[in-house]
Amino acid sequence: DSGVTQTPKHLITATGQRVTLRCSPRSGDLSVYWYQQSLDQGLQFLIQYYNGEERAKGNILERFSAQQFPDLHSELNLSSLELGDSALYFCASSVAAGGNPDTQYFGPGTRLTVL
Amino acid sequence: AQKVTQAQTEISVVEKEDVTLDCVYETRDTTYYLFWYKQPPSGELVFLIRRNSFDEQNEISGRYSWNFQKSTSSFNFTITASQVVDSAVYFCALSDDGNYQLIWGAGTKLIIKP
Repeated sequence: DSGVTQTPKHLITATGQRVTLRCSPRSGDLSVYWYQQSLDQGLQFLIQYYNGEERAKGNILERFSAQQFPDLHSELNLSSLELGDSALYFCASSVAAGGNPDTQYFGPGTRLTVL
Repeated sequence: AQKVTQAQTEISVVEKEDVTLDCVYETRDTTYYLFWYKQPPSGELVFLIRRNSFDEQNEISGRYSWNFQKSTSSFNFTITASQVVDSAVYFCALSDDGNYQLIWGAGTKLIIKP
């Protein structure tokens, strides 16, 4: 158990809908990362938050947004869902207090199925 | 540009055999970090090792060992005396100094047959 929690574990929804994925980082970690794992694209970095502020952005679609709250939990919002958004979404956390990339610990993932 | 290549899509061996998973990376930075993660059939990503570019010493942890060679831009992972529980997809990843996002290889699916 990495100490990172994600809810829900599974999510099934229809095209055009909006969903919210939730992540709680390990105790003491200030950074939260979101990754998408799909069969055709593999693992891709979406976005990073550090202590409530956006720090880095990857291949995140405009239909997707995220935020990190004062208690450091994070939410990833996916809207106008398309079939191609079906994937496993991972949250990871790390201390990220200094300049060097430290180890990211991953949650169990949320499997999103868009029908 | 950063890139991680895991050329072996799938490897199948019989239990107790040794197996090496290859990882080749590309980066222009002199300071960077390399990682290996394991994804068992249950789906979670489990951290195995983090190595910075200035530490070329090989590392051994039980049956696992890692060979880092800057001259060939490789960071290979060897499992000695493989076990069925080692069956998983293994990912190699790269992060540059000051850039926290992980750039992932495509993964190698390792099947250990009893």
